[in-house]
Amino acid sequence: QQQVKQSPQSLIVQKGGISIINCAYENTAFDYFPWYQQFPGKGPALLIAIRPDVSEKKEGRFTISFNKSAKQFSLHIMDSQPGDSATYFCAASRRSQGNLIFGKGTKLSVKP
Amino acid sequence: KAGVTQTPRYLIKTRGQQVTLSCSPISGHRSVSWYQQTPGQGLQFLFEYFSETQRNKGNFPGRFSGRQFSNSRSEMNVSTLELGDSALYLCASTTQVGGVYGYTFGSGTRLTVV
Repeated sequence: QQQVKQSPQSLIVQKGGISIINCAYENTAFDYFPWYQQFPGKGPALLIAIRPDVSEKKEGRFTISFNKSAKQFSLHIMDSQPGDSATYFCAASRRSQGNLIFGKGTKLSVKP
Repeated sequence: KAGVTQTPRYLIKTRGQQVTLSCSPISGHRSVSWYQQTPGQGLQFLFEYFSETQRNKGNFPGRFSGRQFSNSRSEMNVSTLELGDSALYLCASTTQVGGVYGYTFGSGTRLTVV
């Protein structure tokens, strides 16, 4: 039973383009939605996170959009760079419990 | 400050054997979580320890166990290894600020079962 569904599985974007990754969740009790970036041979690193009382959060080139009624959230990477090439994971949790439920990941390749 | 240290980085074991993985969290962090990462299932939560007590557990068989020591270092053990246990095992040092958990992952231990 997958509680967080992530799409697409892979994404190829030209340098300077916008990368968009989408996630949908089922459990309305989730109240914390982070995105992680993982490079080969490394563990996931927190990129940006949002709470459901906010519809959008921006940090540099990275933006999370959150739609509570649709139970969906997405990551937008503006002006994508080759150094952004990595696997991105969305996740969800209940802050009171702490364990993260991850999406299956999106492998992003940014072509120069 | 030092990050999360996982040892060893790579392991090759034979079916039926057991294995112990180690994780040293960030200094001052009292909570450690373990995750299994595979290409098919992605990242799955194994368990969480806080102050030497298991606080939360994922949906894994009893062959997977863990513990935490008084210095917050944690170990996980997998007994009677199966081929399907081949995975990257990630440890996360966690801290809670303002009701939100912050996770810092180590680079993982790559376990191969042959």
